[in-house]
Amino acid sequence: DVKVTQSSRYLVKRTGEKVFLECVQDMDHENMFWYRQDPGLGLRLIYFSYDVKMKEKGDIPEGYSVSREKKERFSLILESASTNQTSMYLCASRPGGRNQPQHFGDGTRLSIL
Amino acid sequence: KNQVEQSPQSLIILEGKNCTLQCNYTVSPFSNLRWYKQDTGRGPVSLTIMTFSENTKSNGRYTATLDADTKQSSLHITASQLSDSASYICVVSPNTNAGKSTFGDGTTLTVKP
Repeated sequence: DVKVTQSSRYLVKRTGEKVFLECVQDMDHENMFWYRQDPGLGLRLIYFSYDVKMKEKGDIPEGYSVSREKKERFSLILESASTNQTSMYLCASRPGGRNQPQHFGDGTRLSIL
Repeated sequence: KNQVEQSPQSLIILEGKNCTLQCNYTVSPFSNLRWYKQDTGRGPVSLTIMTFSENTKSNGRYTATLDADTKQSSLHITASQLSDSASYICVVSPNTNAGKSTFGDGTTLTVKP
């Protein structure tokens, strides 16, 4: 079974802090994704990566950056956390080929105080 | 603008009953449509994935249908169980940028004993 592991289930940070969310997948998938999930808004794509050191902006990249130095690891960085970034963050991976399902981690519930 | 609309927003049924969830989309050109199940506090898990040429796909008690002409899909759950209580998310991918799928807001299903 594919396993996507997010480093923290719950995280509390303060406004202005630099926050790192880590995601690791164990199936050698080429593609990795970061989403945020808010009530009434569904899942929204922040960034994705289709290869090591490659990244593409999603629909809501403002205030975020990403890093993919190794194929199995995709990090989401909040450069200067703000209260409107309080959300559930979900990481996903997918093998190459468009018609494949994404495999999601269990999410990190991030609160910015 | 690509959109995915799901109905109903929420649904309550008795254990053992059947139900059908709807998904209408405007995503074009179409590549695939996926249904995910998301339990509370967990990440989404793939149920089915259908491409343009497929009009039905089953996964146990879950059966998804696709009408690519009318851009509609449905997810039918047979003989519901308490464990079916979850959010069901419809996701449609275009046949262009592989990373930017469009997510519906989900249908929250509650199965009562």
